[in-house]
Amino acid sequence: NAGVTQTPKFRILKIGQSMTLQCAQDMNHNYMYWYRQDPGMGLKLIYYSVGAGITDKGEVPNGYNVSRSTTEDFPLRLELAAPSQTSVYFCASDSGTGELFFGEGSRLTVL
Amino acid sequence: GQQVMQIPQYQHVQEGEDFTTYCNSSTTLSNIQWYKQRPGGHPVFLIQLVKSGEVKKQKRLTFQFGEAKKNSSLHITATQTTDVGTYFCVDLSNDYKLSFGAGTTVTVRA
Repeated sequence: NAGVTQTPKFRILKIGQSMTLQCAQDMNHNYMYWYRQDPGMGLKLIYYSVGAGITDKGEVPNGYNVSRSTTEDFPLRLELAAPSQTSVYFCASDSGTGELFFGEGSRLTVL
Repeated sequence: GQQVMQIPQYQHVQEGEDFTTYCNSSTTLSNIQWYKQRPGGHPVFLIQLVKSGEVKKQKRLTFQFGEAKKNSSLHITATQTTDVGTYFCVDLSNDYKLSFGAGTTVTVRA
């Protein structure tokens, strides 16, 4: 099993551009999450999903959108990128036990 | 959700010494998890505590859940350079909205 795979690992965006961070898991987990982590800080929940077709907002959803058309994939869309969205983004999945499995992260810089 | 405070935020440890990081809440916690994130890495699950007064050990790491389920601690003995990183405690009271605080960032002096 590859676990949780995130792409891209690094990306530089210009202000106002849009992009999608991809996240895929091959563990058949129902629960998936997107977090962002600013330097020296904890992780803040952006969006989460409890199963295909179901998504919900976390603590900091503004400026982001998600979809969950399949169990495996949970892409995060950034519309109109802003410098405040410069961060490391982590996708995670959970089988329902509460134990989170994280991807390696996507480092995004908005200039 | 509940506010869980983790102290200290930074811990500078001499190699070979012991240290403890604490997770405190003003209200009763459901279950608590601990994660470790190495510099430049992603969080990795360490353990989950469920029962009041529970103590679990993983080699040099000892995890404890308070009797009133309002606090938890992680004690590391004989600190090694491999222990460098940030340790997060996570409260599971809020169902799927797992919150990670700032954690305790550990540096080790060789």
